[in-house]
Amino acid sequence: DAGVIQSPRHEVTEMGQEVTLRCKPISGHDYLFWYRQTMMRGLELLIYFNNNVPIDDSGMPEDRFSAKMPNASFSTLKIQPSEPRDSAVYFCASSFRVVGRGNTIYFGEGSWLTVV
Amino acid sequence: GEDVEQSLFLSVREGDSSVINCTYTDSSSTYLYWYKQEPGAGLQLLTYIFSNMDMKQDQRLTVLLNKKDKHLSLRIADTQTGDSAIYFCAEMEGGFQKLVFGTGTRLLVSP
Repeated sequence: DAGVIQSPRHEVTEMGQEVTLRCKPISGHDYLFWYRQTMMRGLELLIYFNNNVPIDDSGMPEDRFSAKMPNASFSTLKIQPSEPRDSAVYFCASSFRVVGRGNTIYFGEGSWLTVV
Repeated sequence: GEDVEQSLFLSVREGDSSVINCTYTDSSSTYLYWYKQEPGAGLQLLTYIFSNMDMKQDQRLTVLLNKKDKHLSLRIADTQTGDSAIYFCAEMEGGFQKLVFGTGTRLLVSP
């Protein structure tokens, strides 16, 4: 089975540019998560969706960040304009809930973003 | 709010057992997880335990949960150099679907 697929794997961009990160969750999963990993703050949940609807976006750092999930097989995380402090690894993850087994969350390989 | 804490570093010799510890604060946590992250890679789910269990074994991995003390541990038997990675403990907030991660423990296995 294909896992969570993220693109691009690596991106280097200049400050002020728009960055779009993409994610394809595992087929059949109804939850999708965006996490950010930095040395200083560790792993932070930015936003998550259930059945394509945003449920909790309290982790989104500021208005420069936005996320969409137009259908069950695709999500984007956009940063506009980007800043050097946005440099991080951005992980997409997906899951489905199994009664009696909770939620098993599977992560993609990450998008490594560097803003210069 | 919720908080998950881990020691930052553990060094063992190949063939020894490794024990990675984690403490959490949310008493309503329903599931607790261990993830492994190798350099340059994503997070790989290793195992999880339901909060009404106190032990779970899966091949070389043993998870112990002390719910009273909110303490979780991961024991890796016969540790190999390929086990060198960062190990993250995570709790799932009760009633919610999001994971709260610890800071990660970097395990170094020397030959």
